[in-house]
Amino acid sequence: AQSVTQLDSQVPVFEEAPVELRCNYSSSVSVYLFWYVQYPNQGLQLLLKYLSGSTLVESINGFEAEFNKSQTSFHLRKPSVHLSDTAEYFCAVTSPGNNDMRFGAGTRLTVKP
Amino acid sequence: KAGVTQTPRYLIKTRGQQVTLSCSPISGHRSVSWYQQTPGQGLQFLFEYFSETQRNKGNFPGRFSGRQFSNSRSEMNVSTLELGDSALYLCASSPTTGHNTGELFFGEGSRLTVL
Repeated sequence: AQSVTQLDSQVPVFEEAPVELRCNYSSSVSVYLFWYVQYPNQGLQLLLKYLSGSTLVESINGFEAEFNKSQTSFHLRKPSVHLSDTAEYFCAVTSPGNNDMRFGAGTRLTVKP
Repeated sequence: KAGVTQTPRYLIKTRGQQVTLSCSPISGHRSVSWYQQTPGQGLQFLFEYFSETQRNKGNFPGRFSGRQFSNSRSEMNVSTLELGDSALYLCASSPTTGHNTGELFFGEGSRLTVL
């Protein structure tokens, strides 16, 4: 069975500071990895995904994540956060051909002025 | 393309009642998954439907059920509601084909409060 562990439930950070949200996964098969973001009172939106190829993937709003197979990690990073990045972030894992996606418990990112 | 639409957005029920939630997937998407989101348990997978058949099921009691129609719209039903069923119920659709990327497209959810 696959599972995801998000190591930090809450991450407070000041505006324009860098941030890293940590995610580790467990799987015995090849994986697809995702980061989703949830703003208050909304559903989840895909932020970025790793399917294959380059281990570094980027989003359009400056986030990036690196797939590290040896460490079974998929940490999310941003060099300079904005107030609008305040949200809950979920790491998720599935495998090719499988629609049973497993989510981590989420990390609440709070950006302070 | 219209996104995933869930109705109703908010509802309040009392213990023992039953509730039906509806989800219209993105046009062309044939897979619909349901998740329960609570502060204590996070996002928990309920079930997934594809071509009117339940393909995967999470660890929820039989009070939770669902179905999918020929137009891919899906409903989930919770019978004999308990206080612990209060949650945000999220529906997600996926363009499942032989080249599935696993990406899910979520609706805004139906927030159920059980009193």
